[in-house]
Amino acid sequence: KAGVTQTPRYLIKTRGQQVTLSCSPISGHRSVSWYQQTPGQGLQFLFEYFSETQRNKGNFPGRFSGRQFSNSRSEMNVSTLELGDSALYLCASTKGEVLSRTQYFGPGTRLTVL
Amino acid sequence: GEDVEQSLFLSVREGDSSVINCTYTDSSSTYLYWYKQEPGAGLQLLTYIFSNMDMKQDQRLTVLLNKKDKHLSLRIADTQTGDSAIYFCAELISSGSARQLTFGSGTQLTVLP
Repeated sequence: KAGVTQTPRYLIKTRGQQVTLSCSPISGHRSVSWYQQTPGQGLQFLFEYFSETQRNKGNFPGRFSGRQFSNSRSEMNVSTLELGDSALYLCASTKGEVLSRTQYFGPGTRLTVL
Repeated sequence: GEDVEQSLFLSVREGDSSVINCTYTDSSSTYLYWYKQEPGAGLQLLTYIFSNMDMKQDQRLTVLLNKKDKHLSLRIADTQTGDSAIYFCAELISSGSARQLTFGSGTQLTVLP
């Protein structure tokens, strides 16, 4: 079974631009979560989607948004990029049911904002 | 509050055992996880333990949970150079059907030949 895939793997943008990252979960998984990893703040939860609905949201500004499609693939968008948005963005998938909690991570997208 | 703490660095000799420690604060955590991250890579799930267990063993890995002290540890037996990586402990925070992982800062394990 293929793992979680994320595209692109690397991205360079400039301040003020916007960016869209994509995540395809493991086949059969219906929940996708996004995390931001930076050297200063570590791993922080962004949001979780299940069946095309945002089920949970972390403490990030409204510039960070996401969505999930009917095939469970998810995208996250960051608008008006700031230097501090440079990070590794990780996506994780899980089956989504109550008893299925273990999250499996993709390789991440490395975003650099210049 | 939700906070997970780990020591930042650990060095061991190849063949020795490594013990990585973690403390957490949310007593409602149901699952606790250990993830491994190698340079430039995502997070690899190593093992997890349910909060009503004290210990879980999986090949070279042993997880110990002291729920009273909110202390979690990961023991790696016969540590190899390939075990050099950053190890994160994480607790699962659930609220209704929503869930999220809260991570520690990670422990950089260096295995010396």
